[in-house]
Parts: sequence; structure tokens; C-alpha cells
Amino acid sequence: EVQLLESGGGLVQPGGSLRLSCATSGFTFSSYAMSWVRQAPGKGLEWVSAISGSGGSTYYADSVRGRFTISRDNSKNTLYLQMNSLRAEDTAVYYCAKDQLYFFDSSGYFAYWGQGTLVTVSS
Amino acid sequence: QSVLTQPPSASGTPGQRVTISCSGSSSNIGSNYVYWYQQLPGTAPKLLIYRNNQRPSGVPDRFSGSKSGTSASLAISGLRSEDEADYCCAAWDDSLSGWVFGGGTKLTVL
Repeated sequence: EVQLLESGGGLVQPGGSLRLSCATSGFTFSSYAMSWVRQAPGKGLEWVSAISGSGGSTYYADSVRGRFTISRDNSKNTLYLQMNSLRAEDTAVYYCAKDQLYFFDSSGYFAYWGQGTLVTVSS
Repeated sequence: QSVLTQPPSASGTPGQRVTISCSGSSSNIGSNYVYWYQQLPGTAPKLLIYRNNQRPSGVPDRFSGSKSGTSASLAISGLRSEDEADYCCAAWDDSLSGWVFGGGTKLTVL
């Protein structure tokens, strides 16, 4: 059974940093691209970042490029999101999602999602 | 402001058929597959429809998807109380090289 479990969320001041983790099990982690998708309170989903199966290719939404860094440790079956220079508009539940393919492109999609971790950016 | 446009709400009575629309552009729905997710309050999105009209294992055939041009629709027939949830569409966007989503439609079963 595929399982994704996010952690690391919390309250942080504007300009601060936070590192999210997504521990996975039930599939060959290194064989699939992974993404982070967020949902601000009362709003729709927003794709944030993605990484290929090897970790060699990374992708970012314009809203977070230069501030967020996605990475993965295939030996630990874990996905990460380092978030720096946080802003109030980054407040959201952050989900990790498993892609159907090794590469991140239009042929894949998200069949499995974690339960999410809440990040609140406020002073 | 979401890239894909959905009505904020929809409703129906038990047994009815309801449809939820999703409008996009040539760079997303017009040239790529559409996906639908169901999200119960406080829970993660659940894949309902993939590649326009395919149902994952375990999803009842009451749920169906279709696409025409730059728009797509999710239809739910034989509406049940447990179908009350938020429904969100998604598609790959060639211009952004990433995924775009609709703002979600809250379905109420009256």
C-alpha cells in the first residue's frame, strides 16, 4: 500500500525558513517523480515544485522559484521541501504527491497524495 | 485566481445527475488530459478521473468525465449523500510546464 506522510509544518514568521519532509513507503521511491502541491485556506490547489526520480531534475512554480528548494533522499525514501524567505501568502496545507512516471512531464499525474502538513506564516 | 475555471458551487438531490464544468485554454485542457479529484473536508485529494474519462480502480461508474476543446466536465449520476465534497479539475499546462488546477466546486447534496 502506497503511503505518504508529511511533517515539518508549523508557525513561522515572515522571512523565516521551514523544511518539510514526506516519508514514503509501499513503492520503489526512486522510480517515480514527486511533487509538492499546496492549498491555501479556502482556496484551490496550487502545484509548487517537482523532482525527477533520480533527483537530477527539479521544477518550480514561478511563485516559489528562488525561495524554495526541493530534494529527495532515495536511500531514505523521503522527499523534502526547503522553504526560505517565507511570506504570508505561502500559508497553506502542503501535500506531497506521487507521480505515475520517473520524469516530471505531461504524461504523468498524481494518483497518491499525503494527508498534508499546515504551514502558517504570520508574525 | 486559479488557471482553470470552475463554478464555486453545485447541488442536487439524492438520485439526481449533476455535472461540474472546468474551463481552460489551448495550453492546458486544449492540448492535454484532464484529471478530477474529490476532496472531503480536511482530507487529501483523491483521484476520481484520469486522462479525461478513465476511472481508477474502486471509483464507482457513477462518476464519469468528458472533454471537448478547452473545456471538461465531471458528471455524477445517482447522487448520494456521501458525494458531498469539493471537486477539482487539473491539467498540465504547456506554457507553464507544470500542473494547473481549478478553484474547486463544492457539491451539496440537498
